[in-house]
Amino acid sequence: DARVTQTPRHKVTEMGQEVTMRCQPILGHNTVFWYRQTMMQGLELLAYFRNRAPLDDSGMPKDRFSAEMPDATLATLKIQPSEPRDSAVYFCASGLYPDSNTIYFGEGSWLTVV
Amino acid sequence: ELKVEQNPLFLSMQEGKNYTIYCNYSTTSDRLYWYRQDPGKSLESLFVLLSNGAVKQEGRLMASLDTKARLSTLHITAAVHDLSATYFCAADLYNNNDMRFGAGTRLTVKP
Repeated sequence: DARVTQTPRHKVTEMGQEVTMRCQPILGHNTVFWYRQTMMQGLELLAYFRNRAPLDDSGMPKDRFSAEMPDATLATLKIQPSEPRDSAVYFCASGLYPDSNTIYFGEGSWLTVV
Repeated sequence: ELKVEQNPLFLSMQEGKNYTIYCNYSTTSDRLYWYRQDPGKSLESLFVLLSNGAVKQEGRLMASLDTKARLSTLHITAAVHDLSATYFCAADLYNNNDMRFGAGTRLTVKP
């Protein structure tokens, strides 16, 4: 059963700490997305990669957020330093472009910064 | 900037009734996506609409796309409680699968 896997599922951290979220896209998918969901802002596209190259990270606060794909099976989203306003659910999603237009979401990483 | 607007944002329905959720978007994209999200869960893909006039149906849900009007609709037929969820539409910015989401419609189906 192919699925997008995210870790950690839940994270509580103190303000100022570094947070790293990881995503394993569906095997063979060439496009990976990072979304953030909050009650106030809804679902926001933070960044996405195709064939491991960043295509758009304009939705990501550059001063504290960074996204990378060290290899085709791993995407990371890092926040350093974290702030309470970063509390949200972070979703990773993957797809196979252009063969398929269906994007599959992971279960999300629930982040609370206190 | 791409804008994706859904209405209504909240919808309370009686079982057995019909209703339509509307999704307006501001780009010339010809792709439109519908997702479902249950509370505390991930997003589940419902439909991908790829061209003007596209219509897709799955069970009690039917989605359509009018690219000239930049409008998609999600029609619910004879609602049942299991359809209670939040429904999101999303549009591509560059026909690149880079979806921008609407605010979502929280649907509650009451007995």
